[in-house]
Amino acid sequence: SYELIQPPSVSVSPGQTATITCSGDGLPKNYVYWYQQKSGQAPVLVIYEDTKRPSGIPERFSGSSSGTMATLTINGAQAEDEGDFYCYSTDSNDNRGMFGGGTKLTVL
Amino acid sequence: QVQLVQSESELREPGASVKVSCKASGYTFTSYGLNWVRQAPGEGLEWMAWINTNTGKATYAQGLTGRFVFSVDISVSTAFLEISSLEAEDTAVYFCARDPLCGTTNCEDYWGQGTLVTVSS
Repeated sequence: SYELIQPPSVSVSPGQTATITCSGDGLPKNYVYWYQQKSGQAPVLVIYEDTKRPSGIPERFSGSSSGTMATLTINGAQAEDEGDFYCYSTDSNDNRGMFGGGTKLTVL
Repeated sequence: QVQLVQSESELREPGASVKVSCKASGYTFTSYGLNWVRQAPGEGLEWMAWINTNTGKATYAQGLTGRFVFSVDISVSTAFLEISSLEAEDTAVYFCARDPLCGTTNCEDYWGQGTLVTVSS
C-alpha cells in the first residue's frame, strides 16, 4: 500500500486561486477523489476520477492529475469554500482505500 | 431517495463493546458495497474497511485489529460495525459511505450522518 500526502493548510484571499496537492506513488494507476468537509458534517464529493465534477459543485472547482501528483484547484475561492479537503484513492493491488491527511483551506 | 441513516451517539466505558448501525434505503442494498470511515476528534478521515453487501466479506485497512468486526443484515438493508474491548483511542465519529455510482457527467456519492462513539470512564 502507499500513502497520500497533502499540505496541512492553504490560505488565500477571496477571489484568488487555491491549489491543494495530493501526492502518492500509486496515483498513476488509481483515480483520485476529492472531498470537502465542513465542521461536524459528512464529507461532500467535489471532484471524482481525477478531473470530473459532480453535478451541483460550482465550476470554480477543478481537478488534474499528472504522474504521482493530483491537484485540486479552486478558481476565485470564496469564503464559503473554507473547510477541510481530503484526497482519496484506492490501491488496485489490494482494493484498500486511503485518505490523504487533509488540507485546511482558509479564505480571508 | 438514497439515504444512509446511522445509529445515535454512544458512550461506553473502556473495555466495553459497541455496535454501530447504518441502515440503507432508496436503492437495492446488495447492489453497492459500503465503506466505513472514522474520524477521531480534531483528526482527519481514516478509511477502515469496505464490505461486500452480497457476501458480508470485508476488506480491512492494514493495521486494523480484530476488535473491529464489520457485518451486514441483508433482510433489513443494514450494515454494522462492532468494536470490542473499547479503548479511549476509539473515540471518534464513524461514518458509513456507499460505493459511488459515477458516470461521465455525474457521480452519486452517499454518506451516513456519522455516529459519535465516546469511550470514557
